[in-house]
Amino acid sequence: TQLLEQSPQFLSIQEGENLTVYCNSSSVFSSLQWYRQEPGEGPVLLVTVVTGGEVKKLKRLTFQFGDARKDSSLHITAAQPGDTGLYLCAGRGYSGGSNYKLTFGKGTLLTVNP
Amino acid sequence: SQTIHQWPATLVQPVGSPLSLECTVEGTSNPNLYWYRQAAGRGLQLLFYSVGIGQISSEVPQNLSASRPQDRQFILSSKKLLLSDSGFYLCAWSVYLGLAGNTGELFFGEGSRLTVL
Repeated sequence: TQLLEQSPQFLSIQEGENLTVYCNSSSVFSSLQWYRQEPGEGPVLLVTVVTGGEVKKLKRLTFQFGDARKDSSLHITAAQPGDTGLYLCAGRGYSGGSNYKLTFGKGTLLTVNP
Repeated sequence: SQTIHQWPATLVQPVGSPLSLECTVEGTSNPNLYWYRQAAGRGLQLLFYSVGIGQISSEVPQNLSASRPQDRQFILSSKKLLLSDSGFYLCAWSVYLGLAGNTGELFFGEGSRLTVL
């Protein structure tokens, strides 16, 4: 069974601060996705990372895939209240029956206070 | 462009009553379809997935069932609801995973909040 652990589980910061959210596993993934979910809505895809060591930037958000493809991080620069939400990472396995589904972490609930 | 819609958005049902949540996708063909449940606003638990009409795989033993009567329609049902069935249900679709290079990003519906009393 593939497991993804996200940390921290909860994060409350002030507007303008920087933060990093981590997603770790002992399993190797073919790709890893990050989603953001607002209360009462479905998650929305932010980015997919595929190559070990890959870094992707989405405005103030920077995503990194670990060299060994077992972990990932999300860094937000100068957080804004609009960044508030539940951040979920999800890894896709390589082969066999596990390849059809994503393994989700439990999420990091971020609150950015004005 | 592709869209996904699920309904109803909110449902309050008594214990022992039936359930039917419906999900439809537009703008794509032969999608993979999924039902997830999310408890207390945290991680997602995969309940069912389908790779084609009439093909349903169950991930978690429970009193829920799923059906896919048409290519872009996915239904979650129960004959008798339990208190433990309360939660936030999410339908999602992805491109068919058999395509080379496909990383299978999920596109979620708006969610259905079920409260069983």
